[in-house]
Amino acid sequence: EVQLLESGGGLVQPGGSLRLSCAASGFTYSSYAMSWVRQAPGRGLEWVSAVSGSGDDTYYADSVKGRFTISRDNSKNTLYLQMNSLRAEDTAVYSCAKSRAVADAFDVWGQGTMVTVSS
Amino acid sequence: DIQMTQSPSTLSASVGDRVTITCRASHSISRWLAWYQQKPGKAPKLLIYDASSLEGGVPSRFSGSGSGTEFTLTISSLQPDDFATYYCQQYNSYLTWTFGQGTKVEIK
Repeated sequence: EVQLLESGGGLVQPGGSLRLSCAASGFTYSSYAMSWVRQAPGRGLEWVSAVSGSGDDTYYADSVKGRFTISRDNSKNTLYLQMNSLRAEDTAVYSCAKSRAVADAFDVWGQGTMVTVSS
Repeated sequence: DIQMTQSPSTLSASVGDRVTITCRASHSISRWLAWYQQKPGKAPKLLIYDASSLEGGVPSRFSGSGSGTEFTLTISSLQPDDFATYYCQQYNSYLTWTFGQGTKVEIK
């Protein structure tokens, strides 16, 4: 069964850091680009960041550029999102998603992990 | 950046109704558009990709059309399981993805 499972969310103070993980199973992980997508409470979906299958190429939304870093470990079938300088507006459920191809729709999603930025 | 605008934001309909949701892109995106269904507390589910290709396992009452800047998602006969929020998403802009703001389909 194809599956994505996020972890690492929690409560963090403004200006703090957090590292999210996404464990993948059931498909050839290194063959697919992966993304992080977030959804603030009661709001819509926002793409955050993506990484190519090899991990060599990374892409970011303007709202997180310079603060967040996406990476992957293909030996562990795991995706990461390092979040620094967190702001209240980063509060959201963060989900990982698998792309059908390099620049394509997302055909597999995780259930998400909640990140709350508050003092 | 490419902006995606969905209409309407909310739609009230009855079981059996034909429902159409529109998504407009601020610039041409060819046919690089997807539609997702999301239910409360659940992950989004891919319904349509490349504007009109039905994802495996998705009922045939769902269909997509359009190209360039205007796209539609049609549910031919609304079923109880279809009450949810629907999002369009472009993936034309090189390796960035943008979602529409969502359309909530409610029971009339």
